[in-house]
Amino acid sequence: GQQVMQIPQYQHVQEGEDFTTYCNSSTTLSNIQWYKQRPGGHPVFLIQLVKSGEVKKQKRLTFQFGEAKKNSSLHITATQTTDVGTYFCAVATYNAGNNRKLIWGLGTSLAVNP
Amino acid sequence: EAGVTQFPSHSVIEKGQTVTLRCDPISGHDNLYWYRRVMGKEIKFLLHFVKESKQDESGMPNNRFLAERTGGTYSTLKVQPAELEDSGVYFCASSHLSGLNYGYTFGSGTRLTVV
Repeated sequence: GQQVMQIPQYQHVQEGEDFTTYCNSSTTLSNIQWYKQRPGGHPVFLIQLVKSGEVKKQKRLTFQFGEAKKNSSLHITATQTTDVGTYFCAVATYNAGNNRKLIWGLGTSLAVNP
Repeated sequence: EAGVTQFPSHSVIEKGQTVTLRCDPISGHDNLYWYRRVMGKEIKFLLHFVKESKQDESGMPNNRFLAERTGGTYSTLKVQPAELEDSGVYFCASSHLSGLNYGYTFGSGTRLTVV
């Protein structure tokens, strides 16, 4: 079945440094979603990308979808302690029965030293 | 509007016991999903309800898991008998639409520990 590989699994940065997490697939993706889960919390939807080469920004967060729609990245500029958490990519897909579900990456856990 | 509510937030049970998890979706959301994250692994799809009907239960691990959504409102997920490998965080999510191009709203999850 479809898989999404996400790297790195962990990242530890100093406050103010940048951070990037990457998701890759061997197959073309129709879309990619990004979620953030704070420690002890639940995934919270951040954004969805659907177009080849799409770039979207949310304040210090920049989301990109590759030209071939096989990879995506989330970049955080000048991290803050509030950015701590696990960032997941996920692909919304239909299964054989035409029912929707999400295929998830493993997540990247970000720790920020103040 | 109230979000997706799950309870209990934590449950610790012994192997062989039964546990029932509950999810109250956002009011009016026909689509309800259950997902599970086992420590160190990806979040995995378990099943999908549309109203009271099971649309897709391809992710259910085995017949020890039973999900219901009577009346198309809240849903329960029962594990009977629980095994050690069932430990993990069980998330519920709901959505109004069933298309691909929008995100889910997740509940806070139930952390299940089987000892």
